[in-house]
Amino acid sequence: DIQMTQSPSSLSASVGDRVTITCRASQSVTQLNWYRQKPGKAPEFLIYDASEFQSGVPSRVSGSGSGTNFTLTISNLQPEDFATYYCQQSNRSPVTFGGGTKVEIK
Amino acid sequence: VQLQEWGAGLLKPSETLSLTCAVYGGSFSAYYWAWIRQPPGKGLEWIGEISHGGSISYNPSLKSRVTISIDTSGNQFSLRLGSVTAADTAMSYCARVSLMVTGRPFDCWGQGILVSVSS
Repeated sequence: DIQMTQSPSSLSASVGDRVTITCRASQSVTQLNWYRQKPGKAPEFLIYDASEFQSGVPSRVSGSGSGTNFTLTISNLQPEDFATYYCQQSNRSPVTFGGGTKVEIK
Repeated sequence: VQLQEWGAGLLKPSETLSLTCAVYGGSFSAYYWAWIRQPPGKGLEWIGEISHGGSISYNPSLKSRVTISIDTSGNQFSLRLGSVTAADTAMSYCARVSLMVTGRPFDCWGQGILVSVSS
């Protein structure tokens, strides 16, 4: 299985801050997706192929990276951004997710 | 597109978990359909997925206990997980697998159903 490791597991930030979440794959992947999950809700799809936006995702949310190292950056944090974020690879079965990064209000 | 899960929410150890997901709107035949679960306070685990034509993939960690099936006439698909234990207590989500982009993301999710296993 391809292991997906996210860091940090949690972080505290304020409205207006910029945060960066890292996702590392145990093998090179190209199909890397990001999701946001608010408490008590299902995950929401944000980004596919590491850097391509899902329709409706604000431009202050961006993804980058290739190979085994990927990042999700959120600029100008808004109240709706305080949530848990997951990366996920679809290159090889089984599909695997990172352990999640919880973005909390400072 | 809306996805709606239903099924028994409380099971005893050794029983079989049985869930169904109905898909409302959109094209049922143009996508793959997946089950994903999340133990309380933990991360996401892919259980498996199925195509409209019946092509199936399972997570090897669950493969011996899992069956995913599809009802193409009813626009719904189902999950069965046998011999459950407390470790199978989780929120279970059904999701659509987008084939429109190369990342094959889960682009639409049900609201989830909590399945608890307790004696």
